[in-house]
Amino acid sequence: NAGVTQTPKFRVLKTGQSMTLLCAQDMNHEYMYWYRQDPGMGLRLIHYSVGEGTTAKGEVPDGYNVSRLKKQNFLLGLESAAPSQTSVYFCASSGQGESYEQYFGPGTRLTVT
Amino acid sequence: AQSVSQHNHHVILSEAASLELGCNYSYGGTVNLFWYVQYPGQHLQLLLKYFSGDPLVKGIKGFEAEFIKSKFSFNLRKPSVQWSDTAEYFCAVINFNKFYFGSGTKLNVKP
Repeated sequence: NAGVTQTPKFRVLKTGQSMTLLCAQDMNHEYMYWYRQDPGMGLRLIHYSVGEGTTAKGEVPDGYNVSRLKKQNFLLGLESAAPSQTSVYFCASSGQGESYEQYFGPGTRLTVT
Repeated sequence: AQSVSQHNHHVILSEAASLELGCNYSYGGTVNLFWYVQYPGQHLQLLLKYFSGDPLVKGIKGFEAEFIKSKFSFNLRKPSVQWSDTAEYFCAVINFNKFYFGSGTKLNVKP
């Protein structure tokens, strides 16, 4: 049982490049989330999904897109990276109802130059 | 939108000192509250959570938190900290499937 995994762990992009971050969970969770963590700002929700085929915007969705084609995977895309997107990205998943506890992945450190 | 405030950004304590970290939230209805911890270089892990019932919640590693509805607060406490408690602590609230996190409190415990 791997829990929540994220690929890649580190990445450096040039401004304007695109990339996709992959999150996978093996706990059969319905809900999945993408956050970014910046110093002094805690975690901010980018997008989330309450089930396969559904996505919704969080607090800071601009510049990002997501897809949830399979229940176990949640992809975060940057179409045209900007230096302001330099951050650590965390994926999380959770069950429904009383199982709202979120399980987090190890994070992806992204630098945009 | 929901908001979560953590007023202590950086706390430095000596081992065996008592800890209390403040957390206030803005939503006035039914809330589910959490404290997460992030040890250096690691991902977030759940310390404890409050859904309903006893407002004093006990978590892992000797941590506890008290939900005070009238004050919109969910403060984290530990009677005696250890060097291994050095980490960043995040308070969070869930509202309509969305989690809202505070900005975090960095705790540095001196041996």
